[in-house]
Amino acid sequence: DAGVTQSPTHLIKTRGQHVTLRCSPISGHKSVSWYQQVLGQGPQFIFQYYEKEERGRGNFPDRFSARQFPNYSSELNVNALLLGDSALYLCASSLVDRGDTFGSGTRLTVV
Amino acid sequence: AQSVTQPDIHITVSEGASLELRCNYSYGATPYLFWYVQSPGQGLQLLLKYFSGDTLVQGIKGFEAEFKRSQSSFNLRKPSVHWSDAAEYFCAASPRGGADGLTFGKGTHLIIQP
Repeated sequence: DAGVTQSPTHLIKTRGQHVTLRCSPISGHKSVSWYQQVLGQGPQFIFQYYEKEERGRGNFPDRFSARQFPNYSSELNVNALLLGDSALYLCASSLVDRGDTFGSGTRLTVV
Repeated sequence: AQSVTQPDIHITVSEGASLELRCNYSYGATPYLFWYVQSPGQGLQLLLKYFSGDTLVQGIKGFEAEFKRSQSSFNLRKPSVHWSDAAEYFCAASPRGGADGLTFGKGTHLIIQP
């Protein structure tokens, strides 16, 4: 069975640009959560979606947004990128309302 | 505020020796508790989780964890470590029935000495 898949695996963006990160959950999982992991720190919760509805939001600015599609895949969007947005972005999926299987992440570098 | 604390930033253990990684949580009510492992440049792999019931939880790769309500702790243990256990270990918690996602500790970096 395929696990949680994220794309792209790496990308480099310039300050002020916009980025879209994608996540496909494990088949049958209806909940997707997004986390940001800055180098040397634990992941921080950004969003949780369940059945296409936003269920929770962490302490991130409005530049961060997300959505979940009818097939339960999800996108994380970040506008007006800052150098401090450079991080590993992790997606997690689960059957119920708590993500606990993580993908390998997308490494975003903002220059 | 809800928080998870891992007091040890680095731990060095000899191969074959036993291991205990500490985790304390601060929540209004007992949360769900998790331990994850992360190898360099990789995502997180779930080792074990505690929701309710038996306070000694068995996980993958020979790991176990014990929930102690009186100490607000959820320490991870392994009787005999292998060189392949070298990685970053994260304790995490989430509120019961909530949608606040997981709160992670800062991690403990495990080094295995030959």
